[in-house]
Amino acid sequence: AQTVTQSQPEMSVQEAETVTLSCTYDTSESDYYLFWYKQPPSRQMILVIRQEAYKQQNATENRFSVNFQKAAKSFSLKISDSQLGDAAMYFCALSYSWGKFQFGAGTQVVVTP
Amino acid sequence: NAGVTQTPKFRVLKTGQSMTLLCAQDMNHEYMYWYRQDPGMGLRLIHYSVGEGTTAKGEVPDGYNVSRLKKQNFLLGLESAAPSQTSVYFCASSYSVSGSEYNEQFFGPGTRLTVL
Repeated sequence: AQTVTQSQPEMSVQEAETVTLSCTYDTSESDYYLFWYKQPPSRQMILVIRQEAYKQQNATENRFSVNFQKAAKSFSLKISDSQLGDAAMYFCALSYSWGKFQFGAGTQVVVTP
Repeated sequence: NAGVTQTPKFRVLKTGQSMTLLCAQDMNHEYMYWYRQDPGMGLRLIHYSVGEGTTAKGEVPDGYNVSRLKKQNFLLGLESAAPSQTSVYFCASSYSVSGSEYNEQFFGPGTRLTVL
């Protein structure tokens, strides 16, 4: 069975500061992808960043970057220079096999001025 | 290009009533999924389809049925709604299997369903 664990129900960060969201996973698959999705109050799921398991280099997308530790099965998301628009629920997700996803429970990010 | 659309956006049902949620995608994706989202539980897979005419059970299939008669549409049915089915339902689609850069899932806007 594949599992994704997000141990932080909520994280608070001040504008312009950095916050790191943790995610650990477990899978027996050798080929898989990892994703971070953002869900703002509008409910729309938005892809933030993706990481192919076979790539050692950590993915980055503007202010968003990941720390992918394959041996430790850890996939954390760092949001730099936080903005009010970053306030949302963030989901870590594992994709494997035919495209099936396993989502974590989510981390609510609160951004304070 | 509308992406993934869901109908309706909101619905209130009484216990025992039936309804169908419609998901449509215009990206020619092979794979389509239905999830439910409940507080503190993330998204849980209800049913999925790997192609037109095929469906399979996900993690929480009980009380739901699905059909994929056309490649672009994926229907989720509740035959006899129960209060435990109060949730937000998301449809998603994706292009291909693991190993491809097209592995991203594209989501619809969600349907908030309340069962009284």
